[in-house]
Amino acid sequence: QSALTQPPSASGSPGQSVTISCTGTSSDVGGHNYVSWYQQHPGKAPKLMISEVTKRPSGVPDRFSGSKSGNTASLTVSGLQAEDEADYYCSSYAGSICVFGTGTKITVL
Amino acid sequence: QVQLQQSGPGLVKPSQTLSLTCAISGDSVSSNSAAWNWIRQSPSGGLEWLGRTYYRSRWYFDYAISVKSRITINPDTSKNQFSLQLNSVTPEDTAVYYCARDPGVVVKIAFDIWGQGTMVTVSS
Repeated sequence: QSALTQPPSASGSPGQSVTISCTGTSSDVGGHNYVSWYQQHPGKAPKLMISEVTKRPSGVPDRFSGSKSGNTASLTVSGLQAEDEADYYCSSYAGSICVFGTGTKITVL
Repeated sequence: QVQLQQSGPGLVKPSQTLSLTCAISGDSVSSNSAAWNWIRQSPSGGLEWLGRTYYRSRWYFDYAISVKSRITINPDTSKNQFSLQLNSVTPEDTAVYYCARDPGVVVKIAFDIWGQGTMVTVSS
């Protein structure tokens, strides 16, 4: 099972929006609504930001939103803040197994 | 609240077995509404799911194809923990290893609680 494809980097100024993509196949992203997004700061464990494509766990700011179209899922961070600078990973159900994305570093300019 | 506490050696010799344990507090390894996972992160940064166990009237085990021939995940109900064993390790198995919970009756690939991570180096 190949990793899901994410752009290596994305950036935006404080207050702006940034959207990152996560591209898979009909066997993973396109075939299920079990896509999640994680935020990871250096030296820390990943933190769940979005589950089931669009659901925000309790405590996650509503600046974070998820969507999906076909085989590509997206994470949008609106109103960028300095603390949003981190690595972001997507994951997807892929028929009894899990596959992660390659990761995207969001830089706040 | 739910916490996962990892333990195990940080250095393993090539060809030997990597063994880690994840102790659960605030939930149960035999819960009908959770799955218990092992995930690793290579020095280059990528996350790799290794496998899971969960209980739904019986125990289930799912493993990543890349490690399927070498991995065993075992639940221990008496200690409320689960373990990872990875056999015949090579330097390519050097990584930070995490345990993580996937809540819910249905496996949704949404890891909401993570252990603190264990850096494991494979070297002689």
